[in-house]
This record gives sequence, C-alpha cells and structure tokens, in this order.
Amino acid sequence: QKEVEQNSGPLSVPEGAIASLNCTYSDRGSQSFFWYRQYSGKSPELIMFIYSNGDKEDGRFTAQLNKASQYVSLLIRDSQPSDSATYLCAVDSNYQLIWGAGTKLIIKP
Amino acid sequence: DAGVIQSPRHEVTEMGQEVTLRCKPISGHNSLFWYRQTMMRGLELLIYFNNNVPIDDSGMPEDRFSAKMPNASFSTLKIQPSEPRDSAVYFCASSSLSGANVLTFGAGSRLTVL
Repeated sequence: QKEVEQNSGPLSVPEGAIASLNCTYSDRGSQSFFWYRQYSGKSPELIMFIYSNGDKEDGRFTAQLNKASQYVSLLIRDSQPSDSATYLCAVDSNYQLIWGAGTKLIIKP
Repeated sequence: DAGVIQSPRHEVTEMGQEVTLRCKPISGHNSLFWYRQTMMRGLELLIYFNNNVPIDDSGMPEDRFSAKMPNASFSTLKIQPSEPRDSAVYFCASSSLSGANVLTFGAGSRLTVL
C-alpha cells in the first residue's frame, strides 16, 4: 500500500513566523511532488510542485525535496492569517496522485 | 477560462434516490478525475479518465456508482440508489497531461443523503 504521511495538526504558528509542513512518502519510484492548499469549505488549489532534490522557491513559499529520505516539506515565510488552511501533500504513483490526509495550519495574529 | 465547473453545488436527497453529479473540465485538458472527500477518509480517487476513456475505476466503492465521459467537455458521476454513507463532497479535477500532473479542481458538489 503506497502511502503519504502528514501530521494532521493543528499546527499553530505566530503571524510573521516561518511555518514548516512535512510529508513522507513510501513509493521510491515517485517523481513528482505537490503541495495543495485547501481552505475550509473550498476545493484544493495548487501551491507548488517539485521534481528535483533540493529547494524550490516561489515568493513566500519554499518546497524542499529529499528523495533519499523520501521526505518533502513546505516552508511558508512571514506567515499571514490568510495562510490558515489545510495543506495537502500529494505524490505521484504511476498515473495517479497519492494524497496525504493534510495538515491544518493556524496562523495566530 | 472558467475553470472546472461542477453542478450541483449542493444536493440533499433521500436514501434510495438517484443522484447525478456533473462536471465540465477545462477546455484542452485530456485527463479527468472524480474524487470524494470526507473527514474520515480524506481525498479518495474514484475514477480517472484519459481522452474520455476510463482508465481506472478501482476506487469506485460499489456497483451503485457509475461514471461516464461521453465527450471531452462533459462527465457525470451517478449514484443509484444513494445511501447515507455516500454523503461527502465530490470533486471533479482535470489536468492537461496524461496521468498525475497539476490538477485543477472544481468547486465540488456537497452531497447529503438523508
């Protein structure tokens, strides 16, 4: 059974601090890794994707991938209350995505 | 582009009734996915179409569920007969490349079966 594991949270972070979200996966053959954000009552929306080991930055967001450790993370710098949401990690396995259960992030003003 | 369009947004029905959910993918996207999301089980892939052909329906819970994609711009997910345990949010998503890639989700259809 191919799995993606995330801490369900909630993860509480003060406004302006760095939020760190983590994800581990079991399929060593996975090549593509995605972070989606889902606000309460809304649909998931793509934040970032990463294919190569190392860091990928996009504005306040940085995705980090370590294939040897089967670990992917998302850092959110200068956290804002509007970042409060559930963050879903998804990993490709063959033709489909395997989804984590999500980490609920709360940014406290 | 208007994005992935789903209807209805909300559906309340009684056990035993037929439910039909509809989806219009983004024009030019050749892959379409139906997901179900509940608090207990998270996001579950029900079925995946590529170029209008069902590739994998192993996630469809049972024979009460069926899905069709008669053309590139329309898909339906049907539940007949519906049961209270089918209550969930059903998402349709599309992508522009075959298989797992960047998915764009519709707003979802929230189904409540009484």
